[in-house]
Amino acid sequence: GESVGLHLPTLSVQEGDNSIINCAYSNSASDYFIWYKQESGKGPQFIIDIRSNMDKRQGQRVTVLLNKTVKHLSLQIAATQPGDSAVYFCAENGGGFKTIFGAGTRLFVKA
Amino acid sequence: KAGVTQTPRYLIKTRGQQVTLSCSPISGHRSVSWYQQTPGQGLQFLFEYFSETQRNKGNFPGRFSGRQFSNSRSEMNVSTLELGDSALYLCASSLDRSQPQHFGDGTRLSIL
Repeated sequence: GESVGLHLPTLSVQEGDNSIINCAYSNSASDYFIWYKQESGKGPQFIIDIRSNMDKRQGQRVTVLLNKTVKHLSLQIAATQPGDSAVYFCAENGGGFKTIFGAGTRLFVKA
Repeated sequence: KAGVTQTPRYLIKTRGQQVTLSCSPISGHRSVSWYQQTPGQGLQFLFEYFSETQRNKGNFPGRFSGRQFSNSRSEMNVSTLELGDSALYLCASSLDRSQPQHFGDGTRLSIL
């Protein structure tokens, strides 16, 4: 069935370093992918998205890479800051009108 | 522009009761989705509405239902509450499919 998974449940990085959060998806028909950030006590916050006709998309300090061949998605955060500490979810829209979320990766930023 | 508003923020109920949660989407957004978030299951899709029509439904029992009004505001209802229904219920709105969803901060439902 459809699923979106994350390779690592937790990630710890030093402040100022780059972070890479990975995600695998199984539905080859998915055409829209999104990364969300969720801080404690809040709802998920949209970070960046990418459509299946693209391989890479850049935002402010964030880059999403999509590898359709191996059905892999990654989020890169440049110069990670303490404020980046949160749980990060990848999500896919694979047709229909629902979004499937991965399990989430908790990012810890060490000062 | 105001974000997605969910009310109430916290709710305590007992088993067997029913509950109604409310969601006001971002102005202009006609798609509203509901999710259940628990530590063990993560974010699980409940249903999605667009222009008052349910377009998709997740794998939840019939005790979970929803509706959307002509102004795009949405409600979800859970009847005959069970302990396992304790969760954070999140609402998200978007312009349509393949557009970013914007989430509210959720309603924390606790069942005693």
